[in-house]
Amino acid sequence: AQSVAQPEDQVNVAEGNPLTVKCTYSVSGNPYLFWYVQYPNRGLQFLLKYITGDNLVKGSYGFEAEFNKSQTSFHLKKPSALVSDSALYFCAVRDWGDTGRRALTFGSGTRLQVQP
Amino acid sequence: DARVTQTPRHKVTEMGQEVTMRCQPILGHNTVFWYRQTMMQGLELLAYFRNRAPLDDSGMPKDRFSAEMPDATLATLKIQPSEPRDSAVYFCASGSDRGWGQARYEQYFGPGTRLTVT
Repeated sequence: AQSVAQPEDQVNVAEGNPLTVKCTYSVSGNPYLFWYVQYPNRGLQFLLKYITGDNLVKGSYGFEAEFNKSQTSFHLKKPSALVSDSALYFCAVRDWGDTGRRALTFGSGTRLQVQP
Repeated sequence: DARVTQTPRHKVTEMGQEVTMRCQPILGHNTVFWYRQTMMQGLELLAYFRNRAPLDDSGMPKDRFSAEMPDATLATLKIQPSEPRDSAVYFCASGSDRGWGQARYEQYFGPGTRLTVT
């Protein structure tokens, strides 16, 4: 089985401050991990992913995420938040070892609010 | 710029009517997903197709919902009869699980169909 948890419904941060959106996962084998962002009245957009290799993954719009296998986490980070980063963020996971019948499993989403 | 397209973008209908939502996946993608998003339930997977064959529709209410892929360029989600509790935004996404390329398992979402059933 595969699952993902986003423990915070909402994260508030002041513009210019660093931000972190948390994600933890559970898979039987090794994970594929993804972050997606959803702006109001839009579909989800791919931000970044971890498959293998460097634990720090860089993605779109200055976002990055750190894969931590021992803590089974994949937190999304940005050094300096912008008001335009305000959106709904989803973490997703897929088990490497799954032979094909499983789709991505998405978390419940975290609303990021960046205050001017 | 390849995109997933969905029609209609908005649909308002009365309870009991049939609703059909359409999705054109990105050319070359072999996986198609239907999701429903509501405030209460968040993002729910309704159906998952691979090479046009349904792999997982366990999230879909079977008595009124049906999903098909008549060909590789069209996926449909049908609700008959519709009920007010079906009001939600329905997203289609496509992707590819072929080979071992960097894009494997990424999903590309369409803009969604906002359904209101009165």
